[in-house]
Amino acid sequence: DIQMIQSPSSVSASVGDRVTITCRASQHISSWLGWYQQKPGQVPRLLIYDASSLESGVPSRFSGSGSGTDFTLTINGLQSEDFATYYCQQGSSFPLTFGQGTKVEIK
Amino acid sequence: EVQLVESGGGLVQPGGSLRLSCAASGFIFSDDWMHWVRQAPGKGLVWVSRINRDGSSKAYADSVRGRFNISRDNARNTLFLQMNSLRAEDTAVYYCVRDRPGDNFYMDVWGKGTTATVS
Repeated sequence: DIQMIQSPSSVSASVGDRVTITCRASQHISSWLGWYQQKPGQVPRLLIYDASSLESGVPSRFSGSGSGTDFTLTINGLQSEDFATYYCQQGSSFPLTFGQGTKVEIK
Repeated sequence: EVQLVESGGGLVQPGGSLRLSCAASGFIFSDDWMHWVRQAPGKGLVWVSRINRDGSSKAYADSVRGRFNISRDNARNTLFLQMNSLRAEDTAVYYCVRDRPGDNFYMDVWGKGTTATVS
């Protein structure tokens, strides 16, 4: 199985900050990487697919990059509605696997 | 509106069974692969199972293989998850999820989930 490791596990940030979350795969997964946002009490929402493609309706302050084993989610100009937990997910092979999550908290 | 509505969760004793259902609407259900994903209380997301468009191909996480069975009824736009030999560690919210159309596997539409408690 492909292991997905996210860092950091949590980050404290202020509105307007730039936040970067990394995700490392235990095997090469090309660009088959997705990012999800989950707010407390809500269901996950797909933000990014294929490492850097923005899902329809997702604000442009979210961006993704990377390929192979190392990936990054960047939020430029953090907004109050962005405080949530973010998960990466490899879409390369079954079993599909998620990272353990990164909680973005208010500083 | 694209919608997935799960049902069938509840409290069951270890070793018992539950059958989860997911009613799909707002899209052509038979065109899409589907998944079940679960989330234990306070924990992260875990993929459980997936099924292809006509139900001829299925895949499972190691932790549920041999105990869970995914199926679908395209005439009724419904996805199922039969869960047998349940264990305490199966306690979770179970989400019905649509596979995003494309070459690889992402999840673009999520139901609100149904809770299975094994105790």
